[in-house]
Amino acid sequence: QKEVEQDPGPLSVPEGAIVSLNCTYSNSAFQYFMWYRQYSRKGPELLMYTYSSGNKEDGRFTAQVDKSSKYISLFIRDSQPSDSATYLCAMGASGNTGKLIFGQGTTLQVKP
Amino acid sequence: EPEVTQTPSHQVTQMGQEVILRCVPISNHLYFYWYRQILGQKVEFLVSFYNNEISEKSEIFDDQFSVERPDGSNFTLKIRSTKLEDSAMYFCASSAAGNTIYFGEGSWLTVV
Repeated sequence: QKEVEQDPGPLSVPEGAIVSLNCTYSNSAFQYFMWYRQYSRKGPELLMYTYSSGNKEDGRFTAQVDKSSKYISLFIRDSQPSDSATYLCAMGASGNTGKLIFGQGTTLQVKP
Repeated sequence: EPEVTQTPSHQVTQMGQEVILRCVPISNHLYFYWYRQILGQKVEFLVSFYNNEISEKSEIFDDQFSVERPDGSNFTLKIRSTKLEDSAMYFCASSAAGNTIYFGEGSWLTVV
């Protein structure tokens, strides 16, 4: 079983739709969770960082963590064509070494 | 907004040659990292660096790789004798507290 699993998609939605992106993980040591957005041939851009189970909202983005199920989600409301990118989940264990384990990334296309 | 800057953006090198990739982390950050992404694959952790020493390194980071913080602003990754399989996008990243990690735009290395 892979440490972090993420459906690569592609996921295609119409403009204005609510998008749900998900990752599952197997390592109980993971304590902090991040979502990054990556445009083609660019660096990952940090969108959301969460440490505990529950929801965290920032503008149109909501990150959700369920540690009991080892499942994290990113919701994008009122999706825009500019949201078209690859979304990467990443997670790390406590200890502050900064070693993140990334998912494969889900490619999202928002059609006008 | 502060950002991690990387040079060069693209480098082509012959197999067996030494390569140095350079990074300027965000100025008040104390933790520095290198990650890489082979085309079409996951972002992978290489090494973390704090207080002038390596905190953690992955299996990929063998004796051919080294990192250095030669002055108060730069952070470098050296590959001593490049192999074809070293062709990848190399990302420098930094963080203030070890968890919220910001990435640069990457240096694309092509080994021929």
